[in-house]
Amino acid sequence: QKEVEQDPGPLSVPEGAIVSLNCTYSNSAFQYFMWYRQYSRKGPELLMYTYSSGNKEDGRFTAQVDKSSKYISLFIRDSQPSDSATYLCAMIRRTSYDKVIFGPGTSLSVIP
Amino acid sequence: GAGVSQSPSNKVTEKGKDVELRCDPISGHTALYWYRQSLGQGLEFLIYFQGNSAPDKSGLPSDRFSAERTGGSVSTLTIQRTQQEDSAVYLCASSLGGASKQPQHFGDGTRLSIL
Repeated sequence: QKEVEQDPGPLSVPEGAIVSLNCTYSNSAFQYFMWYRQYSRKGPELLMYTYSSGNKEDGRFTAQVDKSSKYISLFIRDSQPSDSATYLCAMIRRTSYDKVIFGPGTSLSVIP
Repeated sequence: GAGVSQSPSNKVTEKGKDVELRCDPISGHTALYWYRQSLGQGLEFLIYFQGNSAPDKSGLPSDRFSAERTGGSVSTLTIQRTQQEDSAVYLCASSLGGASKQPQHFGDGTRLSIL
């Protein structure tokens, strides 16, 4: 079993839809949680970074962490065609502060 | 440019050859990471540098893989006696400090194809 699981998709939604992307993890030592966006043939870019359970909002993006269920989510409101990309969740254990473990990524297409 | 620069952007080589991949981090970034991304896969951690030292090289898949960083700046990842399973995108990232405290900035990767 992989440490971090993520539905690879592909996920296709109409423009303006609310998108929900999810990851589950097995190790309760994960303490820092991130979401990255990766466009085709580009490096990932950091979208959201959270430490504690609960919600964090930044513009159209909301990151949600539920440590008791070992489950994190990224919500995208009013999705745009420019949001079409692969979304990677990532985590860091409190015992290994600088080693980032990535999920496999979910491919998202927003159709105009 | 101000971002992380990787070269070459593409590399095609024959099985058994050695390859050297280069990463030029953002100026002043002390932390540097190498990852491997295979088709449809997430990023696989290879090695982490803090300055010139590598406190975590646990992700290097075999002794054919090595990396060094000199002057606290440029890093090279070397793969000896390449195999077809080494074909992947190799990504480099840098940050001001550890990833738990500072965001990582990624280059666009080197696409390596082993024939």
